[in-house]
Amino acid sequence: DGGITQSPKYLFRKEGQNVTLSCEQNLNHDAMYWYRQDPGQGLRLIYYSQIVNDFQKGDIAEGYSVSREKKESFPLTVTSAQKNPTAFYLCASSPTVLGSSPLHFGNGTRLTVT
Amino acid sequence: QKEVEQNSGPLSVPEGAIASLNCTYSDRGSQSFFWYRQYSGKSPELIMFIYSNGDKEDGRFTAQLNKASQYVSLLIRDSQPSDSATYLCAVNGRGSGNTGKLIFGQGTTLQVKP
Repeated sequence: DGGITQSPKYLFRKEGQNVTLSCEQNLNHDAMYWYRQDPGQGLRLIYYSQIVNDFQKGDIAEGYSVSREKKESFPLTVTSAQKNPTAFYLCASSPTVLGSSPLHFGNGTRLTVT
Repeated sequence: QKEVEQNSGPLSVPEGAIASLNCTYSDRGSQSFFWYRQYSGKSPELIMFIYSNGDKEDGRFTAQLNKASQYVSLLIRDSQPSDSATYLCAVNGRGSGNTGKLIFGQGTTLQVKP
């Protein structure tokens, strides 16, 4: 079954620690995305990637970093520089980044930093 | 003005009624419009997409697009308690350097009462 796998589902970290969220897709999609969702709010774009070894900042990239070494994988690192890291993180993919195709979402990772 | 606006609700309708969810957007160049349903604590799932002016029907769901008024809506006929969720409107942004990325509204919470 094709899809997007995010792990872990829940993640707890102490303030000041970097943490990496995993995202793997087997849909053969070129484009991958990371969104953040806070309670009662819509999705805000952190980073996106159109192709291997290339990625662009979204609207709220500060305090985050990504890599795209393989087509299937797009891990997100939440660094200690991110002021309010506690949130629900969603990884998504689409055939292209042009916006004409719908996004397919993973099940999300809920990060809590104390 | 937000790029994609939705009334956060909650919108409460009785079981069997028609639920009408509305979304306005600011970028006149937008060409692709999506409705996602998100249950509490879960990731968004695609309900409908529409590219052309007019109506598009899929089962109990109808998406309506009016590009002149920059307005897209989702109608849910014969609403069921299982339809209770947050509905996210997403629009691809062509202008202002958005390069086709999807921009999400904050979502409308729908409550269907038995």
